Amino acid sequence: KAGVTQTPRYLIKTRGQQVTLSCSPISGHRSVSWYQQTPGQGLQFLFEYFSETQRNKGNFPGRFSGRQFSNSRSEMNVSTLELGDSALYLCASSLGLAGSPELFFGEGSRLTVL
Amino acid sequence: GENVEQHPSTLSVQEGDSAVIKCTYSDSASNYFPWYKQELGKRPQLIIDIRSNVGEKKDQRIAVTLNKTAKHFSLHITETQPEDSAVYFCAASWGSGGGADGLTFGKGTHLIIQP
Repeated sequence: KAGVTQTPRYLIKTRGQQVTLSCSPISGHRSVSWYQQTPGQGLQFLFEYFSETQRNKGNFPGRFSGRQFSNSRSEMNVSTLELGDSALYLCASSLGLAGSPELFFGEGSRLTVL
Repeated sequence: GENVEQHPSTLSVQEGDSAVIKCTYSDSASNYFPWYKQELGKRPQLIIDIRSNVGEKKDQRIAVTLNKTAKHFSLHITETQPEDSAVYFCAASWGSGGGADGLTFGKGTHLIIQP
C-alpha cells in the first residue's frame, strides 16, 4: 500500500510569510504527528492529531498550528515565518491504537526561509 | 515533560566491530522505547523497540537493553556493516503506545562505519 505522502517536498519563503504543508497518511491510519528536524536538534515533536482532534502538543509557539480532516489527511501551518523555521518538516502516521505504536514517516517537506 | 539525552552524537567504528548508543530519559512514567534509523536523505524507520516490562530485546545483529531503575536504554549493533551507516534516534513515550503519545526523541547519533 502507498506510504505517507507529504507535499510540497521543497519550498522557499521569506520572513513574515506563512506556509501550509500537507500530509496524507497510510490508508487506515488515524493518527498523524508532525516533527521539525534541524541539524543537531533531532526530531522535535510539534503535535499529533487523531480522528480530527489534537491529542498531543509539543513546545512550539502558537505560530505553528495544524488540523486533520475526516479522511485523516493533515495540514500544518506556520504563520509569520522566521529564519529559524527553516527545517525539514516530517509527518508520521500510525494506527493510533494502543499496541500499535510504530510511526511511518513521510519523506518530509524542506522549508527554507530567507 | 520528558527529556531524552542521547550519546554520543557521532560514533565511528571499524566494519565488523560493535557499536553502542546510549540514551537516558527523565520521566519514570515512560513505558515505550523505540529506535529509528535514518539513512542519508531518507525517512526515519523503526528498527527495534522495547517496552518497560522487558529488559532486553534482540533482532539479528541489533539489540536493545533497558534499565528502568537508572532510566537508561541502549542500542547495540554487532558485526557492523557499511549499510549500518546512518543517524540513529532513540525515543521515549509515556503513553499507552498508540500513535505519538508524547513520544520524545533524542538528538540522534551519526554512526559511521569505516571500511
